[in-house]
Amino acid sequence: DARVTQTPRHKVTEMGQEVTMRCQPILGHNTVFWYRQTMMQGLELLAYFRNRAPLDDSGMPKDRFSAEMPDATLATLKIQPSEPRDSAVYFCASASGGNQPQHFGDGTRLSIL
Amino acid sequence: AQKVTQAQTEISVVEKEDVTLDCVYETRDTTYYLFWYKQPPSGELVFLIRRNSFDEQNEISGRYSWNFQKSTSSFNFTITASQVVDSAVYFCALSEAMNTGRRALTFGSGTRLQVQP
Repeated sequence: DARVTQTPRHKVTEMGQEVTMRCQPILGHNTVFWYRQTMMQGLELLAYFRNRAPLDDSGMPKDRFSAEMPDATLATLKIQPSEPRDSAVYFCASASGGNQPQHFGDGTRLSIL
Repeated sequence: AQKVTQAQTEISVVEKEDVTLDCVYETRDTTYYLFWYKQPPSGELVFLIRRNSFDEQNEISGRYSWNFQKSTSSFNFTITASQVVDSAVYFCALSEAMNTGRRALTFGSGTRLQVQP
């Protein structure tokens, strides 16, 4: 089965460090999403792309977060500088377009000390 | 703004019992999609079903069934003869199709299902 691949699976780092999370969407999927899951806020959208163009990043703190798709096989989410409140599980999902089901990666569990 | 409410925070049942997970949604769109996802203890999110707002037929897949009622804005999920492997957090989600053009999912807060042996 085709899967969304996220790296790293776990990341522990100190406050102030740069964090980069990567996502390889399912081949042929043209829509990519980044979500964050926390106990307090649940699952919330950070950003999403269609055909590599950003369509919505209203859920993302602009001062420290950035999301890009350098090519169709790679999406990145960066945090610089990181803060303890950024600790969460970050999920990437991809879809073949429109309102097709989104298929999620296993997530990156991020801990900022 | 769209909203998904899963009022049941946690449900505990004994194996072989039937269980229904409730989902109520709010949207201004006439065209929208509803989804259910399962998050087992291992943490991944597994797609279960997608429903569009024009299709109110109930759906059954093995021990899983879904009841979509537009009149009450509900999309409930029933597991028949529950098994320990069904233990997970289940999320209901909504995606609007037309007005906002937004395709991202708005998730409910999830219902944690514990199936005891």
